[in-house]
Amino acid sequence: KQEVTQIPAALSVPEGENLVLNCSFTDSAIYNLQWFRQDPGKGLTSLLLIQSSQREQTSGRLNASLDKSSGRSTLYIAASQPGDSATYLCAVRPLIQGAQKLVFGQGTRLTINP
Amino acid sequence: ETGVTQTPRHLVMGMTNKKSLKCEQHLGHNAMYWYKQSAKKPLELMFVYNFKEQTENNSVPSRFSPECPNSSHLFLHLHTLQPEDSALYLCASSPQVMEKLFFGSGTQLSVL
Repeated sequence: KQEVTQIPAALSVPEGENLVLNCSFTDSAIYNLQWFRQDPGKGLTSLLLIQSSQREQTSGRLNASLDKSSGRSTLYIAASQPGDSATYLCAVRPLIQGAQKLVFGQGTRLTINP
Repeated sequence: ETGVTQTPRHLVMGMTNKKSLKCEQHLGHNAMYWYKQSAKKPLELMFVYNFKEQTENNSVPSRFSPECPNSSHLFLHLHTLQPEDSALYLCASSPQVMEKLFFGSGTQLSVL
């Protein structure tokens, strides 16, 4: 059964710092991996999607990497801003059974201090 | 605005009530989903609809009854819920089942 873990559960850094959020998954047989952002009491906003054949994806100050063989993904945020404060969720889509189902981690709650 | 609209934003209901959650997407997507987000737990998939047909029911209790009249609209009918059903219910859509998901803002449900 695929499980997704995000560590740490919470992270607080000063504005301007570069930071890395971690995601690990137990089964390397995945179709793709997606990073989301969630603001308090709101829905999820998709940030980046990495197909299993890709190593990384970039969007603005965000860069997501994927190492399928080791079951890890990282989300790199450059030059962090207070507006980046949110919960960041990682989700994988299993390759075989349950391909319709995204398996989510519990998220990392990020706070950027001005 | 993601193009996926959920109503109501907040709902308080008693255990004997019947209510419905509504989701509408304006993106021309063919797949729609219901997810449940409880405090301190990962998001859980509830149902998947692909071209209006239900293709996944993730062992959801029958007190939750989904309905998908067309590819743009999705409902979740609720009856005789329990307090532990209190959660944020999120609707999502995607162009096809395997593709990127777009989420609505959710309905925060409280069952008293």
